[in-house]
Amino acid sequence: DAGVIQSPRHEVTEMGQEVTLRCKPISGHNSLFWYRQTMMRGLELLIYFNNNVPIDDSGMPEDRFSAKMPNASFSTLKIQPSEPRDSAVYFCASNTLQGIVPNEQFFGPGTRLTVL
Amino acid sequence: SQQGEEDPQALSIQEGENATMNCSYKTSINNLQWYRQNSGRGLVHLILIRSNEREKHSGRLRVTLDTSKKSSSLLITASRAADTASYFCATDSSGYSTLTFGKGTMLLVSP
Repeated sequence: DAGVIQSPRHEVTEMGQEVTLRCKPISGHNSLFWYRQTMMRGLELLIYFNNNVPIDDSGMPEDRFSAKMPNASFSTLKIQPSEPRDSAVYFCASNTLQGIVPNEQFFGPGTRLTVL
Repeated sequence: SQQGEEDPQALSIQEGENATMNCSYKTSINNLQWYRQNSGRGLVHLILIRSNEREKHSGRLRVTLDTSKKSSSLLITASRAADTASYFCATDSSGYSTLTFGKGTMLLVSP
């Protein structure tokens, strides 16, 4: 299995531009998570999907951020317009939620976003 | 907001020594997980301990959980240079497998 795939690995953009981050979860996983990691705030959960449906988006910082999961094998996180304070490493993770059985999460390599 | 808080923030030891990292959290949990992150990489799951468990082992790793004190510890025995990484505890309080991470402990193991 290729693991969780994220693209691009690095993105440098200018303030005001639209940024789209992409994630392909592990085949067969039904839950997908988007995180943001910064030195100041650590690793924060942005949004969580289960069976392609957004369950909890309370971590999305503001309306400039949006996420979609059109099918079980693809998700996007979009920032429009981007701002310098959005600079961070964005991680996607997936796992299989089976009732109340706890499960580890499998993380992708991350996308390092720099907004100038 | 951070649920788990790791202590110490940084730890420097020699190869062969044991490394102990602690994690404290605030609310009741379903389970607690430890992850490792090598520089510039994604997180890798190490071990999961359920709220009704007190201790768990996996290879050179030993995790304890004290729900009365809302704390956990991760012990790495006979450390190696390859163990150099950041270690994070993460708590699952939701029942939906969503995790809240601490800010991590940076471990440096010198040869």
